[in-house]
Amino acid sequence: DGGITQSPKYLFRKEGQNVTLSCEQNLNHDAMYWYRQDPGQGLRLIYYSQIVNDFQKGDIAEGYSVSREKKESFPLTVTSAQKNPTAFYLCASSDRTRIEQYFGPGTRLTVT
Amino acid sequence: SQQGEEDPQALSIQEGENATMNCSYKTSINNLQWYRQNSGRGLVHLILIRSNEREKHSGRLRVTLDTSKKSSSLLITASRAADTASYFCATEETGANNLFFGTGTRLTVIP
Repeated sequence: DGGITQSPKYLFRKEGQNVTLSCEQNLNHDAMYWYRQDPGQGLRLIYYSQIVNDFQKGDIAEGYSVSREKKESFPLTVTSAQKNPTAFYLCASSDRTRIEQYFGPGTRLTVT
Repeated sequence: SQQGEEDPQALSIQEGENATMNCSYKTSINNLQWYRQNSGRGLVHLILIRSNEREKHSGRLRVTLDTSKKSSSLLITASRAADTASYFCATEETGANNLFFGTGTRLTVIP
């Protein structure tokens, strides 16, 4: 059963704490992406990676960090430097052609 | 970023009617894609239209692309209650390595 998994579905943290969101795919895709979605809004790109051990900043990378040590995994850390971290976070992947993206179910992060 | 604009922001129709939503963008593109998102879930790819195509069909979906006007439309025919979702356009811009998503149209189909 191929796909992208994100865990956990809901995450609660206190302000000032770093938190890491998991994203795993077994589609053998080279490229992976992290997006942020705020209520009633579209998706904004945080970071993306086209290949293992390489990643690029998206439009709103400040306060976030990523790693890509394995092809299957692209974890996102929301640091305490992110001023407004409460949002819905979506991970996606695509193959070498990078046309269609496959999305995970998302993680809703609430920071209080 | 060159995020697209979608119109209308929200649309409510009766089951069986057709739903049309529009997307405008700002730069030259390689392709334009439409995605669907059920509330609180991930996005699902629906259809892709390349910059040299003008119209494409997939089941009850019809997509048009006018590159001179930098706009696209998605038509869902004979709508069903299960079509209730948010619909997003996404553009792959020339020279870019990722997609730029529009703001979405929230479609409600009333049974």
